[in-house]
Amino acid sequence: DAKTTQPPSMDCAEGRAANLPCNHSTISGNEYVYWYRQIHSQGPQYIIHGLKNNETNEMASLIITEDRKSSTLILPHATLRDTAVYYCIVRAQRMDSSYKLIFGSGTRLLVRP
Amino acid sequence: EAGVTQFPSHSVIEKGQTVTLRCDPISGHDNLYWYRRVMGKEIKFLLHFVKESKQDESGMPNNRFLAERTGGTYSTLKVQPAELEDSGVYFCASSPSVTGELFFGEGSRLTVL
Repeated sequence: DAKTTQPPSMDCAEGRAANLPCNHSTISGNEYVYWYRQIHSQGPQYIIHGLKNNETNEMASLIITEDRKSSTLILPHATLRDTAVYYCIVRAQRMDSSYKLIFGSGTRLLVRP
Repeated sequence: EAGVTQFPSHSVIEKGQTVTLRCDPISGHDNLYWYRRVMGKEIKFLLHFVKESKQDESGMPNNRFLAERTGGTYSTLKVQPAELEDSGVYFCASSPSVTGELFFGEGSRLTVL
């Protein structure tokens, strides 16, 4: 079962920042926060992951609270092509019971023109 | 570099028939995963190979599903006999390590009539 809670849907205007929240209050010390997205019916695409420090790459930024119980994925300048379902997943970085990617229902982000 | 490729992209079969889906992972990736999404449901884990060995097949729904990865390269997922509820999109993913980023293919859509 997914160990995260996300809003079912969100929208934002093109060119504006999209901030997608995720709650993971039961995250354990060895689990990372991963974000994937699925554009239409394509295969899921990796976005970013982090443990406790904020992370940034060419696609997005990940802000993790100090207690690690929640995080926010930030798409700084959303485009129409960012319309997708975004999945927040907690996952261990070692071979134990939670190393697999377990997808929840995600957040459907609609970027409006 | 070629990504994960899956074949066929779409298969339509009648109930009771057999279908075999193929996945070619990224070269050098020892870890290969199968997931599926049935209509209206979440993406579900099916199984995980490390090279030619089944590391975890806890998500396989029943014995009508058989996955193989001979030689530790490409993998096949056979459904025999297919049932209506097997309709959905079957995704394959590969990763260079057990806890590394998963790279997904575009999926194989299966329609059972």
